[in-house]
Amino acid sequence: GQNIDQPTEMTATEGAIVQINCTYQTSGFNGLFWYQQHAGEAPTFLSYNVLDGLEEKGRFSSFLSRSKGYSYLLLKELQMKDSASYLCAVREDAGNKLTFGGGTRVLVKP
Amino acid sequence: KAGVTQTPRYLIKTRGQQVTLSCSPISGHRSVSWYQQTPGQGLQFLFEYFSETQRNKGNFPGRFSGRQFSNSRSEMNVSTLELGDSALYLCASSSGLAGVSYEQYFGPGTRLTVT
Repeated sequence: GQNIDQPTEMTATEGAIVQINCTYQTSGFNGLFWYQQHAGEAPTFLSYNVLDGLEEKGRFSSFLSRSKGYSYLLLKELQMKDSASYLCAVREDAGNKLTFGGGTRVLVKP
Repeated sequence: KAGVTQTPRYLIKTRGQQVTLSCSPISGHRSVSWYQQTPGQGLQFLFEYFSETQRNKGNFPGRFSGRQFSNSRSEMNVSTLELGDSALYLCASSSGLAGVSYEQYFGPGTRLTVT
């Protein structure tokens, strides 16, 4: 079956760096996604990886290793507004169906 | 461009009743996906519609159904509601070739409470 694992919660200090790991075991692979979700709001797209390597987008970077079934999201220069849940999701086939991990709640402290 | 809209935003129903939720995708987007979000199970895929056809289906009982209209608006229906159906129901729309894109845009969700 499908299994996507990520830590439940992480705490970091404003201005620091946090790395959120995600491991997956799925029957197919057609891309890995990271979404940010603030409490009470809809998820918003952060990044997409389909090939191995690092994708950088401002303060956020995402890495993928398909052979290891592993990805991470790196948040740099943390700001208070980065306190949110971060969701890792895998697309297994050609459609838009995403299988999500349980989410990692990141708390940024002053 | 307006975002994804969902109606109603909040709903309270009684066990055994049925409910219909509506989703209007971003203009031009032809794919609509539905997800259920609960504290215990997280975000789970319900189904995806593209050009009025169900393209993908998640592992939910037959009480959960959906449809898409020619203007790409979508509805989902839950019959014989159970307490465990209390959740945030999110829809997401997508553009791209055959409606498949690296980015899906989520609506604000409908918060369903079953009592």
